[in-house]
Amino acid sequence: RKEVEQDPGPFNVPEGATVAFNCTYSNSASQSFFWYRQDCRKEPKLLMSVYSSGNEDGRFTAQLNRASQYISLLIRDSKLSDSATYLCVVRNNDMRFGAGTRLTVKP
Amino acid sequence: DAGVIQSPRHEVTEMGQEVTLRCKPISGHDYLFWYRQTMMRGLELLIYFNNNVPIDDSGMPEDRFSAKMPNASFSTLKIQPSEPRDSAVYFCASSRRGNTEAFFGQGTRLTVV
Repeated sequence: RKEVEQDPGPFNVPEGATVAFNCTYSNSASQSFFWYRQDCRKEPKLLMSVYSSGNEDGRFTAQLNRASQYISLLIRDSKLSDSATYLCVVRNNDMRFGAGTRLTVKP
Repeated sequence: DAGVIQSPRHEVTEMGQEVTLRCKPISGHDYLFWYRQTMMRGLELLIYFNNNVPIDDSGMPEDRFSAKMPNASFSTLKIQPSEPRDSAVYFCASSRRGNTEAFFGQGTRLTVV
């Protein structure tokens, strides 16, 4: 079993749609959690950290459920520029990535 | 502040040759990670260092792969001998301390023919 599992995708949505990504992790000792974004042929970049209390950054909302070992990302009012691969990341000194979920937002 | 710097950006080599990938982490960062990314396997953690000491190299695929970090500002990943299945994008990343976000270099695209 992989340490970080993500929805396989791909997700193809129209502009303005709301889309949700889910992720589960196997190591209950994991300390910190992130969502990264990766554009085609580019390096991964931090989108946002994920906290137990949940956190929001504009159109993006991240949630963490430690009991269920589950992380989510919600994107509201999606834009064409949101098209990318979204990577769930779990850290316990090491740093493990999910396989990523590809999102395409269409006009 | 300069980000993580990797070199070369692209490398094409023949099977059996030695390949050395280089990484300069962000100054002041204590952790350094090496990843390999392929379509089939995604981003795989190969090895990571804390304060220049290798902590976990369980992701290194074979003895053909080795990594060093002689000082806080430089790390290498070496493949000897290289094989076509080593073709991938290799990323280096660094973070300030444990359990904070990591910053990635632009990657080295390796092709072994």
